[in-house]
Amino acid sequence: QLQLQESGPGLVKPSETLSLTCTVSGGSISSNAYYWGWIRQPPGKGLEWIGSIYYSGTTYYNPSLKSRVTISIDTSKSQFSLNLSSVTAADTAMYYCGRHIHSSPVAAIGYWGQGTLVTVSS
Amino acid sequence: QSVLTQSPSVSAAPGQKVTISCSGSSSNIGNNYVSWYQQLPGTAPKLLIYDNNKRPSGIPDRFSGSKSGTSATLDITGLQTGDEADYYCGTWDSSLSAVVFGGGTKLTVL
Repeated sequence: QLQLQESGPGLVKPSETLSLTCTVSGGSISSNAYYWGWIRQPPGKGLEWIGSIYYSGTTYYNPSLKSRVTISIDTSKSQFSLNLSSVTAADTAMYYCGRHIHSSPVAAIGYWGQGTLVTVSS
Repeated sequence: QSVLTQSPSVSAAPGQKVTISCSGSSSNIGNNYVSWYQQLPGTAPKLLIYDNNKRPSGIPDRFSGSKSGTSATLDITGLQTGDEADYYCGTWDSSLSAVVFGGGTKLTVL
């Protein structure tokens, strides 16, 4: 059974960079069959897609976050990562990693990690 | 402000049927597949419907999806108290080149 687990600091200071890692087990992150993505959800609010990455390193980003986001992949470690720079309180959210069901970011997200809460505060 | 529009809340009695709607435009729902997600309180979202009307393995046939033009609907029949959750629609927006979600609909089973 595929499992995804987010990890990283739960508290980040304003203006700093938020860095999270998603570790994949029970399946190959190197498969050409899927895209891998990051999604966030501010407390009490809806879902917001951050971006997605293919095993080859091809990325798609949310235009509203593109200038601050970098998603990378390390197939040797079965991990992909999120960096979000210049954070503010508005970036406080539950951050989820997930796997799309096909080899396209257009596809639905079929597997989700449990999420990790990141708070931006000094 | 979400790209896709959903009613904030809907309610129905156990055993009844409820319809949750999602409205978009030609750049998203009108020309791309729609998916639906269920988020139970305190948990991660779960895929209920993909490609407009397909159910992943393990999703009961009480859940069904459809699409017409620039709108999509999720039907839930035989409502159970365990169906109380937030439901989100999602799709790709070709103009934005981005995954977009609706604002979510909170289902209350009275």
